[in-house]
Amino acid sequence: AQSVTQPDIHITVSEGASLELRCNYSYGATPYLFWYVQSPGQGLQLLLKYFSGDTLVQGIKGFEAEFKRSQSSFNLRKPSVHWSDAAEYFCAVAPKRNTDKLIFGTGTRLQVFP
Amino acid sequence: GAGVSQSPSNKVTEKGKDVELRCDPISGHTALYWYRQSLGQGLEFLIYFQGNSAPDKSGLPSDRFSAERTGGSVSTLTIQRTQQEDSAVYLCASSFTGGSQETQYFGPGTRLLVL
Repeated sequence: AQSVTQPDIHITVSEGASLELRCNYSYGATPYLFWYVQSPGQGLQLLLKYFSGDTLVQGIKGFEAEFKRSQSSFNLRKPSVHWSDAAEYFCAVAPKRNTDKLIFGTGTRLQVFP
Repeated sequence: GAGVSQSPSNKVTEKGKDVELRCDPISGHTALYWYRQSLGQGLEFLIYFQGNSAPDKSGLPSDRFSAERTGGSVSTLTIQRTQQEDSAVYLCASSFTGGSQETQYFGPGTRLLVL
């Protein structure tokens, strides 16, 4: 079955530290891949997306993600975390090119300490 | 410009009552999606509207759930005979033309609590 796994439910980092949030997907072909962020009381905001081409994708707010086909992974990274990055992060896939629904992971809650 | 708006932002209802949740997509967006975010299930797709095409209802969990989109714009998600397991945040999203490569823009959600 198609699935998206975010193995880390909760991550805590210090401000200024680097960050990596993990995402693995299970699907026969490479799907379209997305990272969304949800701040408290807010809707989801797209950080970045990958369709094809360069496997390192740059997004907003200083985030980037790297697609690794061999590992079926699409991990999100940021070199230096800011306190305002505290939020919940969702990895999502669109499994088929003619299917528009998104399948989401369970999310990773990021806490940032000063 | 204005983003996706949803109303009400919070709704408390009693078990067995019907509720209607409203979504106003971004002007000009032809695709509209409903998702449900709950503690036990995470974020789940419910239904998708694209232009005048028949909606994709494959994510609706039961026949108590229905949705319509009037005039290709505003959408209403209706839950009949609500159950406690319907308690969740219901998120609406829209995109310009639909399609997997389109960015979906999400509203702030309606938090539903069924007592």
